[in-house]
Amino acid sequence: DAGVIQSPRHEVTEMGQEVTLRCKPISGHNSLFWYRQTMMRGLELLIYFNNNVPIDDSGMPEDRFSAKMPNASFSTLKIQPSEPRDSAVYFCASSWGGAASSIQTQYFGPGTRLLVL
Amino acid sequence: TQLLEQSPQFLSIQEGENLTVYCNSSSVFSSLQWYRQEPGEGPVLLVTVVTGGEVKKLKRLTFQFGDARKDSSLHITAAQTGDTGLYLCAGALRDDSWGKLQFGAGTQVVVTP
Repeated sequence: DAGVIQSPRHEVTEMGQEVTLRCKPISGHNSLFWYRQTMMRGLELLIYFNNNVPIDDSGMPEDRFSAKMPNASFSTLKIQPSEPRDSAVYFCASSWGGAASSIQTQYFGPGTRLLVL
Repeated sequence: TQLLEQSPQFLSIQEGENLTVYCNSSSVFSSLQWYRQEPGEGPVLLVTVVTGGEVKKLKRLTFQFGDARKDSSLHITAAQTGDTGLYLCAGALRDDSWGKLQFGAGTQVVVTP
């Protein structure tokens, strides 16, 4: 079975440009997470969806970041406008479950490496 | 400031040696997980512990959750080169509404032949 699929795997863009990251969760999973990983801050949760509904977006850095999940098999994370400090690896993860999210197994995608010049 | 402090940050050992990685906090967690991440990939879950004092073994890996549920350790016996990777601990705070995972900064383990 395919795991979590993310695209693109690498993205290089210039400051001010719009960036869209895409994620296809594992079929049948109803929870989806977007994380960001940097050397300085480690792995941080940006937003959590359950049954396509955003449950916790407290980790979204600012209004430049937005995430959508129009259906159970697709999610996007958009940065507009992008800034050099947004450079990081962005991971999407999915799992099956709801309230007790912490004891579920989260399956991570391979990540999108974003570099904003 | 990370809720979960991992130590050491970096560990280099030779094949066959033992190692221990620590994950500490002043906060109480309802559960704690350990992940391993290899270069260019996402983290992969190794284990989840939910009971204070719990010990779980996964082949040569032994995981322990502290009695007070504030700390955890990962011990690898007779390390192999395949154990090389970034080890991350992650926990859900006891009073968190939906079990959001807080990640530590990670311990980079390098096992040389």
